[in-house]
Amino acid sequence: SQQGEEDPQALSIQEGENATMNCSYKTSINNLQWYRQNSGRGLVHLILIRSNEREKHSGRLRVTLDTSKKSSSLLITASRAADTASYFCATDWTGANSKLTFGKGITLSVRP
Amino acid sequence: DGGITQSPKYLFRKEGQNVTLSCEQNLNHDAMYWYRQDPGQGLRLIYYSQIVNDFQKGDIAEGYSVSREKKESFPLTVTSAQKNPTAFYLCARSGGAATSIYEQYFGPGTRLTVT
Repeated sequence: SQQGEEDPQALSIQEGENATMNCSYKTSINNLQWYRQNSGRGLVHLILIRSNEREKHSGRLRVTLDTSKKSSSLLITASRAADTASYFCATDWTGANSKLTFGKGITLSVRP
Repeated sequence: DGGITQSPKYLFRKEGQNVTLSCEQNLNHDAMYWYRQDPGQGLRLIYYSQIVNDFQKGDIAEGYSVSREKKESFPLTVTSAQKNPTAFYLCARSGGAATSIYEQYFGPGTRLTVT
């Protein structure tokens, strides 16, 4: 399977702390994306990093990509209770014909 | 919700009945997707379509059917052949600006319960 795998499966932190989530994948990719899902809702696109990029920022989000290790990390700085959600990585792997492959997700709980 | 409308939000059906889930987009984007999500799981691709009158099977197409007669509409039918149809179904679109061609934008989902 080309599916990405997130780590840890669940993360609980205090408001104000940083949250780091990891994703590993198995094959060469065109790009890697992170999505967020609030309970019972659709996914929301957060950030896309291309295979030739190593780091990308968007507000309180920082994404890194290490293609040699086939891994990515999502860092949320100064977390807020509203960041409580599930986070998924998705890979657009070479030859996928515009399809994305999603991991199983990380459940982040931010305690007020 | 990402320029995608899904209806209804909750759907209940008896076993053995076919049911059609609606997905509409108003942004003139080419590609549309259907995913299934089970509790605590990621998304699994059912079908996708990149142009009108054309669609491809995803990873779990058995027991499902789709049509793409209009660019803005991509309905999914869950047939009686689908052995475990109870799930959360998500429709997505992609396309638009060249820089965001790979990003997908999701509707609010339809939770289907079959008893």
